[in-house]
Amino acid sequence: GAGVSQSPSNKVTEKGKDVELRCDPISGHTALYWYRQSLGQGLEFLIYFQGNSAPDKSGLPSDRFSAERTGGSVSTLTIQRTQQEDSAVYLCASSPGGERGTQYFGPGTRLTVL
Amino acid sequence: AQSVTQLGSHVSVSEGALVLLRCNYSSSVPPYLFWYVQYPNQGLQLLLKYTSAATLVKGINGFEAEFKKSETSFHLTKPSAHMSDAAEYFCAVSEPEYGNKLVFGAGTILRVKS
Repeated sequence: GAGVSQSPSNKVTEKGKDVELRCDPISGHTALYWYRQSLGQGLEFLIYFQGNSAPDKSGLPSDRFSAERTGGSVSTLTIQRTQQEDSAVYLCASSPGGERGTQYFGPGTRLTVL
Repeated sequence: AQSVTQLGSHVSVSEGALVLLRCNYSSSVPPYLFWYVQYPNQGLQLLLKYTSAATLVKGINGFEAEFKKSETSFHLTKPSAHMSDAAEYFCAVSEPEYGNKLVFGAGTILRVKS
């Protein structure tokens, strides 16, 4: 079946602009995660959605970052007033949930802030 | 708090030689442990996972890892390296009480020499 998809695959933006990154999880997966991969910080957790529960936002680096998940499926990560340090690969993963749910990753969105 | 340490940011082996990538973890409760592989410009692919069943876990592409509680280790091995194994490998830990969000090691880049 189809895996996790993310769009766009690459995004170049100017400092101060807002960007939206999209994630389509595997159908039926109840859990959805966003991670960021950057040279200086490695792979970092950003935010986690599980079903209809309130999201775990503990990894968001600043209030310029937000995410939503509509209808328990598609998720959008929004970065407002982008800064150069936001340049990174943003990875989305989905999981069937439960205690032992394996996370399946999408190909990522490479964000470059000029 | 959970943490993961991967010893050696770069490992180089000859084709046909043993691959050994080291991972040590810190967790307050019995953890779930994972190895992911990332090929250039791609997302993360699950190699194998430990979820408190058998301590020796077999994964895809001939890789396996052994959970050793006394050493808090989860080293990844493969008896005979292949050129196609060249990639970056990430060890990760998760705990159900934290929503199964993954905490990653810094990664190890495996180079396979012909």
